[in-house]
Parts: sequence; C-alpha cells; structure tokens
Amino acid sequence: VQLAQSGAEVKTPGSSVMVSCKASGGTFSNYAISWVRQAPGQGLEWMGGIIPVFGAATYAPRLQDRITITADSSTNTVNLGLSGLRSDDTAVYYCAGPPLNAAYNYYFESWGQGTLVTVSS
Amino acid sequence: VVLTQSPGTVSLSPGQRATLSCRASQSVNGSYLAWYQQKLGQAPRLLIYGASNRATGIPDRFSGSGSRTDFSLTISRLQPEDYAVYYCQVYGRTFGQGTKVDIK
Repeated sequence: VQLAQSGAEVKTPGSSVMVSCKASGGTFSNYAISWVRQAPGQGLEWMGGIIPVFGAATYAPRLQDRITITADSSTNTVNLGLSGLRSDDTAVYYCAGPPLNAAYNYYFESWGQGTLVTVSS
Repeated sequence: VVLTQSPGTVSLSPGQRATLSCRASQSVNGSYLAWYQQKLGQAPRLLIYGASNRATGIPDRFSGSGSRTDFSLTISRLQPEDYAVYYCQVYGRTFGQGTKVDIK
C-alpha cells in the first residue's frame, strides 16, 4: 500500500489543523490506517487509527479530546484533525498502515512521507 | 501500557552483537509487539512483528524474542547500515522511547 500525505502546515496556537493521507493499492475499506507523530528530536507517538469499514476511530487517551480521524471511501483518504494546537504539537505527522495480509492490525509496514506541522505565534 | 527500552544508547563496533531490551508495564496480549528501525530524516522501517517474526525483506541478522512483559531485539553482527534508533511498539498503543545504536 502506498500512502501520500498533504503538505506542510504552519498554524498559530489555539487553531486547528487537518492533514490528509491518500491510500493506493489494497482495499481501502478493510485497511487500518493510523497516525503517528514525532516531535523534533523525540520519539514516536501513536495518535489513533481507523478501519474505514467499521467507521469509528480509536484514539490515544491523552489526545482524545482534541483529535478526530475520519475516512472518505470515495477518495481513499484518511484525514487527521487536531484542535487546540500548542507549541508542543509541532511535529512530523505520519500516516501508516500494516502489511496487506494483516490489514486490521495496528502495526506499520507502509508509511506516508510525513507532514511537518509547525505551531508558532 | 508503558514500554521502557534499555539501554538508551549503546556504542558498538561493526561485527559486534547488539541486544536491545523492551519491557512492558503489563502483559502484552498475543505477542502483539513490533520493532522498528529509524534513520535520521526517514520514516521508521518495520523489522519484527508478533515479537519474533521478521518483516518482508529484513535480513536474518535481526531477530526478536520474548513474551508477556519482556522482549528483546538482537542484531547478530552489526553492519554499517544498522546504526540507527530502534523502537518497540505494542500494536495500536504506545511506542518505547527508543534505543540509539551508535558506532564505537
């Protein structure tokens, strides 16, 4: 599966951002796509994921009041929304998905190219 | 689940063996643990899934083992391209903080 993400964003504190991830190859509706972010010089953080055929997303507890993940099967796109942006949300945001033979699992063989989101006043 | 990786950094020479540890704060169901390699400026690369299964195209010098709360990744003979940061992950949950493998 190939994952292609939208471009870099610069946002002000308190605003919202949406990052998109378009999937090609595989069956979109039956494929788990997650979002993973990495702040500069820091480790990886799993944010949440969705399997489009099931509809409802699952979120990391510490983000669940600010995050929304949706899937659009007409365009094979998964969208990440993050509200109430703070400076510590500055990070590279990756979409990621499992091998096709483990399509419902939340471990990651395919990765998007990454989208830098910068939060600054 | 909190994953604690050790050591934080290890310095080894090419050809040496590297053993990286990942300890979970509670038992991991069904060996749902993966390992990744990340080089500077690149997305992570899947190495191991299901605690001990090599992903497609991964050389056999990489091996994973463990169960429940204690897991390890072993690189049998370090190659120049293996110097990187390694992360463990419980499926759909947290990542460890990473272990950096440095050249000695």
